[in-house]
Amino acid sequence: EIVMTQSPATLSVSPGERATLSCRASQSVSSNLAWYQQRPGQAPRLLIYGASTRATGIPARFSGSGSGTEFTLTISSLQSEDFAVYYCQQYGNWPPRTFGQGTKVEI
Amino acid sequence: QVQLQESGPGLVKPSGTLSLTCAVSGGSMSGSNWWSWVRQPPGKGLEWIAEIHQSGSTNYNPSLKSRLTISVDKSKNQFSLKLSSVTAADTAVYYCARLVGGQTYDYWGQGTLVTVTS
Repeated sequence: EIVMTQSPATLSVSPGERATLSCRASQSVSSNLAWYQQRPGQAPRLLIYGASTRATGIPARFSGSGSGTEFTLTISSLQSEDFAVYYCQQYGNWPPRTFGQGTKVEI
Repeated sequence: QVQLQESGPGLVKPSGTLSLTCAVSGGSMSGSNWWSWVRQPPGKGLEWIAEIHQSGSTNYNPSLKSRLTISVDKSKNQFSLKLSSVTAADTAVYYCARLVGGQTYDYWGQGTLVTVTS
């Protein structure tokens, strides 16, 4: 099973600042990596797939990078609605499909 | 716009069977997409449970496989999950979701909380 490790667990930032979230895979998943945003009380929402491709309707301030085992999600200028928990998910080697434990972005 | 809606009992007794159904609207279950269950224990992360194709093909999380059954009813545009021998560790919000391209989840249900308690 591929283990996904996200860091940091919590990221404290101010509105307008840049946020950088990390995700590491226990073995290579190539570019088979997605990022999801989950706001309190809501289902996850797909942000990024293929490590760097924004999903439909996702603002350009969200960007993804990386391949192999190291991945990054960057939010260039945090808006109030971006304060949420972010999960990475690998689909390069399954079953099982695995998620990271999440990074909470807080004010 | 595809919509998914979970339904089922919110309380299940220990050693019992958890049964949930996901109704799909706004689109057909036919095609190349798979239909999935993902759960989230309170305050914790996401765990993939299982998925099914409209053809009936299935994939299960190995850690849960012995207790799982997933099925599809194309005539009703819905799919279902059964998890047997539940314990408190199975308490979670259960989401159904559409898996697109065999890769990512693009549509999700709102989730339903299932609590295992006597």
